[in-house]
Amino acid sequence: KAGVTQTPRYLIKTRGQQVTLSCSPISGHRSVSWYQQTPGQGLQFLFEYFSETQRNKGNFPGRFSGRQFSNSRSEMNVSTLELGDSALYLCASSPGTGGYGYTFGSGTRLTVV
Amino acid sequence: KNEVEQSPQNLTAQEGEFITINCSYSVGISALHWLQQHPGGGIVSLFMLSSGKKKHGRLIATINIQEKHSSLHITASHPRDSAVYICAVGPNFGNEKLTFGTGTRLTIIP
Repeated sequence: KAGVTQTPRYLIKTRGQQVTLSCSPISGHRSVSWYQQTPGQGLQFLFEYFSETQRNKGNFPGRFSGRQFSNSRSEMNVSTLELGDSALYLCASSPGTGGYGYTFGSGTRLTVV
Repeated sequence: KNEVEQSPQNLTAQEGEFITINCSYSVGISALHWLQQHPGGGIVSLFMLSSGKKKHGRLIATINIQEKHSSLHITASHPRDSAVYICAVGPNFGNEKLTFGTGTRLTIIP
């Protein structure tokens, strides 16, 4: 079956712009989680969506937001980009209930200049 | 102090050696995950553990809930095992908020 698909793979944006990243989970998975990875902070949890509702949220400013559609695809949006937002953004999907594992996408590498 | 601590941070070994990477955590968890990240960024989930031991090929993962400690072992290591190995813990089932260790960079020399 198809894996987790993240688009785009690479993105260059200018400070102050906004960006939208997309994640298509494995078919049947209802949970999508988003993570930010930077050399300084490592992997950090952004938020998780389950059945179109934000179920968990990490410690990121309100500039970071997301949503999930009825087909479980998720988008995350970062507004008013800052240089420090340059990172690898990963999403992972899981069934979302009971004992489960995660399947990660390949990530979107965002560079803010 | 980080909630999830890994050791060592870097590990270089000869091909064929037995490898052990350790993870200690300080929070209550429902599951511990071992992840593998190759250069380029893609992450592969290796194991999810809530108790005992799991084995997949040359990889073995163990967890001691009482001691809040997990180990990842690689037998007969190979250069293709070179990657960053990351430990992550999740709180209660139904809460997907993973907390990550800083990773162990493993290099296997032929």
